[in-house]
Amino acid sequence: AQKVTQAQTEISVVEKEDVTLDCVYETRDTTYYLFWYKQPPSGELVFLIRRNSFDEQNEISGRYSWNFQKSTSSFNFTITASQVVDSAVYFCALSEAWEETSGSRLTFGEGTQLTVNP
Amino acid sequence: NAGVTQTPKFQVLKTGQSMTLQCAQDMNHEYMSWYRQDPGMGLRLIHYSVGAGITDQGEVPNGYNVSRSTTEDFPLRLLSAAPSQTSVYFCASSYSLGNTIYFGEGSWLTVV
Repeated sequence: AQKVTQAQTEISVVEKEDVTLDCVYETRDTTYYLFWYKQPPSGELVFLIRRNSFDEQNEISGRYSWNFQKSTSSFNFTITASQVVDSAVYFCALSEAWEETSGSRLTFGEGTQLTVNP
Repeated sequence: NAGVTQTPKFQVLKTGQSMTLQCAQDMNHEYMSWYRQDPGMGLRLIHYSVGAGITDQGEVPNGYNVSRSTTEDFPLRLLSAAPSQTSVYFCASSYSLGNTIYFGEGSWLTVV
């Protein structure tokens, strides 16, 4: 069965600090997809990134970067020079692709509450 | 671009009442699903659909019913509301397996 673990329940940093959110996953599938979503206080889920299991390249998008390591089953998310607007709950999620009828079913981690203080 | 639209955004129900949460997408996505979000538990899959006329159960399907008569719509029915169904409900859609999954804005449901 697939599982996603976000061990950090809450993180508090001061503005301009770098912060890394950890995500560890378990899957028996060789083809799978990993996602990160942001949930600001307003409650909606904002898509940040999707990564398939065959693409281990790290990705950078502005102040955001992601480190995907299959060897340790981790997909960590780093925010550089954090800002108050980054305060949100961040979810890591996994979708297996073992059959077409499985759809795009996501298994979510429990989320990490990030608070960036001015 | 409407994306994924959920209605209502807020609802209070009495125990035993029934209601339907509406979900519609205008992106011609085949895959649609419903999740519920409870404190400290992340989001959990209730039901999903891989196309019109095809639905299946997710992790927590009890007390909920779905149907998919069109590609655009995927309503979630609460048959007899219970306080344990107090939660935030999210509808999601994607074009195909492995593609980006988009979420609606959520529906806050309270059962008293």
